[in-house]
Amino acid sequence: QKEVEQNSGPLSVPEGAIASLNCTYSDRGSQSFFWYRQYSGKSPELIMFIYSNGDKEDGRFTAQLNKASQYVSLLIRDSQPSDSATYLCAVTSSGGSYIPTFGRGTSLIVHP
Amino acid sequence: EADIYQTPRYLVIGTGKKITLECSQTMGHDKMYWYQQDPGMELHLIHYSYGVNSTEKGDLSSESTVSRIRTEHFPLTLESARPSHTSQYLCASSDPGGSGNTIYFGEGSWLTVV
Repeated sequence: QKEVEQNSGPLSVPEGAIASLNCTYSDRGSQSFFWYRQYSGKSPELIMFIYSNGDKEDGRFTAQLNKASQYVSLLIRDSQPSDSATYLCAVTSSGGSYIPTFGRGTSLIVHP
Repeated sequence: EADIYQTPRYLVIGTGKKITLECSQTMGHDKMYWYQQDPGMELHLIHYSYGVNSTEKGDLSSESTVSRIRTEHFPLTLESARPSHTSQYLCASSDPGGSGNTIYFGEGSWLTVV
């Protein structure tokens, strides 16, 4: 069973701080890693994806991948109340099917 | 980016009724998916398709059925709705090209069975 684990939270940070969201996965053959944001009552929307070890930056968001340790993280700089949402980690594994496995999500609350 | 359209967005129906949730995408993606998600809970994959005439069951057992006669269309049908089917149903599609099979979601269909 391929697993993707996330702390359900909530993670509470003050406005302007850095929010750090973590995700671990069980399949060492995993190839693609995604972060989605889901507001309450809405569908998930893609924030960014990462394939290679290291950091990938997009605006206030940075994804970090460490395949040796089997974790991927998302940093949100200068957090805003509008960033309050559930953040879903998804992993696409080897084997050809490319069906992503989603974590349960981490609830983030950014308070003014 | 994919454009995925789901109808109806909100539906309240009586127990025992047949319902079809429509999903269409305009990007020519081969892979399409149906997820079920209760409020505040995790996503559950209930059906997926690799392309025309391909349908597979997902991780979560579901009494619904799907069909894929056209690339752009992936409807989900419940033959006899029950209150336990009350949930949000999310359709999605993906292209395994350069984006590594990024999944794009529709806006969801909220189903309430009374």
